[in-house]
Amino acid sequence: QSVLTQPPSVSAAPGQKVTISCSGSSSNIGNNYVSWYQQLPGTAPKLLIYDNNKRPSGIPDRFSGSKSGTSATLGITGLQTGDEADYYCGTWNNSVTALFGGGTKLTV
Amino acid sequence: EVQLLESGGGLIQTGGSLRLSCAASGLALSTNHMSWVRQAPGKGLEWVSIIYSGGNTYYVDSVKGRFTISRDNFQNTLYLQMNSLRAEDTAVYYCAVCSGWFFDFWGQGTLVTVSS
Repeated sequence: QSVLTQPPSVSAAPGQKVTISCSGSSSNIGNNYVSWYQQLPGTAPKLLIYDNNKRPSGIPDRFSGSKSGTSATLGITGLQTGDEADYYCGTWNNSVTALFGGGTKLTV
Repeated sequence: EVQLLESGGGLIQTGGSLRLSCAASGLALSTNHMSWVRQAPGKGLEWVSIIYSGGNTYYVDSVKGRFTISRDNFQNTLYLQMNSLRAEDTAVYYCAVCSGWFFDFWGQGTLVTVSS
């Protein structure tokens, strides 16, 4: 069981919006940046959001991130069937070791 | 373009040893922080280890004393020496570049299966 808590699954219709939460503590999310990763079936994870709310080049602005206190949220608007994937939050524990959330399966 | 290519996975008996490799191109391992992340079948991501550009290394508690991360700057290759392997070490192992507080480049992974 991961130290970072994510809902196991979320679902929404195409074109709609969905949010995925990631809850931690002061020793991890509360004092470190959060990143988000998308893992399509059978592929390696891909960076979606870094430093809480920044998007790497090539990631559409349909994806957004935010952080408040010891929790973080990934938002996806204009859902597409191609967004069906597992999503993971990530952060650091006391800035030394890394942590991932348990993952959330998105169904569109 | 950054490319990471893992190799060395396979089927190994409980208690055995295996060394994973991650050949990098498009970046110098000596100036980047590099990690290993694993994913057990049907499960989520688990961070395993990191080697910072300065050489410091850290591990998740479950592999401390059994796994060793290292790199060869001339070969530009990252390694993970895994000893005393257990069934719960069965996973796809990914190497990843850690640029700051996130992992921005990932390899395709190599599967390690530990079985008695």
